[in-house]
Parts: sequence; structure tokens; C-alpha cells
Amino acid sequence: EVQVVESGGDLVHPGGSLRLSCAAAGFTFSSYEMIWIRQAPGKGLEWVSYISGTGTTIFYADSVKGRFTISRDNAKKSVFLQMNSLRAEDTAVYYCTRGTLRYLDYWGQGTLVTVSS
Amino acid sequence: EIVMTQSPATLSVSPGERATLSCRASQSVSSNLAWYQQKPGQPPRLLIFDASTRATGIPVRFSGSGSGTEFTLTISRLQSEDFALYYCQQYNDWPPLTFGGGTKVEIK
Repeated sequence: EVQVVESGGDLVHPGGSLRLSCAAAGFTFSSYEMIWIRQAPGKGLEWVSYISGTGTTIFYADSVKGRFTISRDNAKKSVFLQMNSLRAEDTAVYYCTRGTLRYLDYWGQGTLVTVSS
Repeated sequence: EIVMTQSPATLSVSPGERATLSCRASQSVSSNLAWYQQKPGQPPRLLIFDASTRATGIPVRFSGSGSGTEFTLTISRLQSEDFALYYCQQYNDWPPLTFGGGTKVEIK
């Protein structure tokens, strides 16, 4: 069974940092791109970042470029999102998703990041 | 950036009736379009990819159509568990991957 499980969400002050993790199971992890999506409270879905199966291709949304860093460890079947210089507008549930040709076929339950003083 | 526009924002439908949801792209996305369903407190679930292919385990009452800039998700006979939010997403021209604003299907 395919599973992706996020962790690391927390309450953080503006300007602070947080590292999200996503553990995958049930599929050949290195063969799949992984994508972070976020959803602010009561709002729609926003693409955040993409990493290819090998980790050699990475993209970011303009809203997080220069502040967030995506990475993966294929040996540990995990993907990470390092978030620095956090702002109030980064407050959201962050979903880790498995990408198949860029549609998102499996989603984790999400982890809540709250940026507030 | 391709802008995805969904209509209507809210659709009121009686159980057993048909629901038709629309998604429009600001430029052609070919057939590179997916539909997702989201229920309160849950993550989205993939329903349709490549505009018309049902994902694994998705009931046949869900169907997708369209190509280019105009797409439709049809739920043929609404069941109670189908009342939810629905999003479309294009993956033809990226980054960024972009989503529509969503359509809420509510009980009439």
C-alpha cells in the first residue's frame, strides 16, 4: 500500500525556520517525483515545490523561492522541505504528494505550519 | 503562468441528480488536466487524470471530458459521499503547477 506521511509542522514566529519531513512507503521511491502542496486555512491548493526522482531537477513557486529548500534521501525514502524566513502568509497545511507525470496520485494527511507571533 | 478558473463556485444538487463542474484554462493545456475531490479535514484525492482517465478505485459515476482550454467533470448520480470540494489542476505547462479555485458541491 502506498503511503506518504508528513511530519514537522509547528507554530513558529515570523522569520523563523522549520523543516518538514515526508516518509514514503509502498512504492519504488526513487522512481517518483515528489511535490509539496500547501493549503492556507479556508483557501485553495497551492503548489510549493517539486523534486525529481533522482533529485537533480528542482523547482519552487515564486512565493517561496530563495526561502524554501526541497531535498530527498532515496535510501531513507524521504523528502524534506526546509523552510526559512517564514512569513504569516506561509501558514497552511503542507501536503506531501507523489507525482506521476505531474498529476498527484497519492497525498499525505498533511502537517500544519502556523507562523505567528 | 496558466490560470485555471472553475465554475460555478458552489453547485447545489439533490442526491441522485447529475452534477456538471467546469474548469477553464487561460491557454491550452492539451489533455494534461487532473481533478481532485476534497472532503472536510481530509487531503485531496485524485479522481481523474489526463482529462478523462479515472484513477484507481474511482467509481464509474465520475467522468471527465474536454481538451485544450475547456474541461468538465460530471458526476452522473450524486451520492451522499460525493458532496465535497472539487479542484482541477493543469500539468501541461509548468512550473508552476496550477489549480483552479475549486467548486463546492452541496446538498440542495
